[in-house]
Amino acid sequence: DGGITQSPKYLFRKEGQNVTLSCEQNLNHDAMYWYRQDPGQGLRLIYYSQIVNDFQKGDIAEGYSVSREKKESFPLTVTSAQKNPTAFYLCASSIGGQGITEAFFGQGTRLTVV
Amino acid sequence: GENVEQHPSTLSVQEGDSAVIKCTYSDSASNYFPWYKQELGKRPQLIIDIRSNVGEKKDQRIAVTLNKTAKHFSLHITETQPEDSAVYFCAASPGSGYSTLTFGKGTMLLVSP
Repeated sequence: DGGITQSPKYLFRKEGQNVTLSCEQNLNHDAMYWYRQDPGQGLRLIYYSQIVNDFQKGDIAEGYSVSREKKESFPLTVTSAQKNPTAFYLCASSIGGQGITEAFFGQGTRLTVV
Repeated sequence: GENVEQHPSTLSVQEGDSAVIKCTYSDSASNYFPWYKQELGKRPQLIIDIRSNVGEKKDQRIAVTLNKTAKHFSLHITETQPEDSAVYFCAASPGSGYSTLTFGKGTMLLVSP
């Protein structure tokens, strides 16, 4: 079954901890994205990567970090510097290159601070 | 950067009525405008998109119109059904170079039987 997979579906974090959200795709897409979704706020871009070993900050990158060591994988780390991390996190991918094309989303990870 | 405004935030209609959701954007360089549907607890999925060289696009009960001069685009759903109930997001992108999507805040559509 091809697509984009996020894990875990639910994640609980204690205050002061770093946590890493997984995102894997087998669509052979060059571009990958992380969005944060809060009620009434739509989807806000955290980080994106257009190619392996390169990534760019989005609109709300503070308190987050990413890596792109493999084309298939784009993990997101929510650090203790992120003061309000409770949210629904969505990973997406697209073919990439010049010009935007359809973005395919994973099923999301719901992160809760306890 | 790009800013996308979406209205209304909630929309309630009776089954069989039409629903219209409107979005405006700020960056005149934007030329790709997708619409995503997100059911409760699920991933957003593309339902229709339009590029700036087209004024209108239809797919069965769904249509999107684009007015580049006024910088606004709209989603039209005809003959609504209860399964159309979901949150709908519009987005915009310059579509050139290595670009990303900027999303509106979403519209919750409720279709009552």
